[in-house]
Amino acid sequence: QLQLQESGSGLVKPSQTLSLTCAVSGGSISSGGYSWSWIRQPPGKGLEWIGYIYHSGSTYYNPSLKSRVTISVDRSKNQFSLKLSSVTAADTAVYYCARGRDGYNWGAFDIWGQGTMVTVSS
Amino acid sequence: SSELTQDPAVSVALGQTVRITCQGDSLRSYYASWYQQKPGQAPVLVIYGKNNRPSGIPDRFSGSSSGNTASLTITGAQAEDEADYYCNSRDSSGNHRVFGTGTKVTVL
Repeated sequence: QLQLQESGSGLVKPSQTLSLTCAVSGGSISSGGYSWSWIRQPPGKGLEWIGYIYHSGSTYYNPSLKSRVTISVDRSKNQFSLKLSSVTAADTAVYYCARGRDGYNWGAFDIWGQGTMVTVSS
Repeated sequence: SSELTQDPAVSVALGQTVRITCQGDSLRSYYASWYQQKPGQAPVLVIYGKNNRPSGIPDRFSGSSSGNTASLTITGAQAEDEADYYCNSRDSSGNHRVFGTGTKVTVL
């Protein structure tokens, strides 16, 4: 059974770069037909899609975050990563990684990591 | 518009039926997926596509869609269904994803 596990720094200073990794176990990140997403949730608020990378390497980002976000894949380590630059307190959130499945006219995140809290503070 | 709007909160009596709605222009072209989130836990997919349930999701959860509105129905709500529910779909470009504002379901 596929599992996802986030890891990375839980405390980031303002203006610095947030870096997180999602380790994939129980399956290969190179399996065709899936995308690999990052999603976040500020304390007490709703979910926000950050972006995803397809097995092909194509990336798509939330337009509101696009200038600051990079998602990449390391197939040798079976993991994918998130970098968010120039962070502010507004980037404080629980960050989730998730696997995406897509059909012609639908999409879904069927497997999620447990989430990791990132706080932006000096 | 790429927004998906949900009612902030709904309540349902134990064993009764509740419908949660999600409105947005992109829903005229794409089906919504639905997620249940309990406090301190990651979201769980409950409905995707036209009306598909992942393995392990009870059949009291069902989905439907009409025009710019997607709906999640819980038929015979149980105490364990009390949670936040979020819809998600592609935006009008088809390349990005957007979450609804979320609905808190209280089971009385």
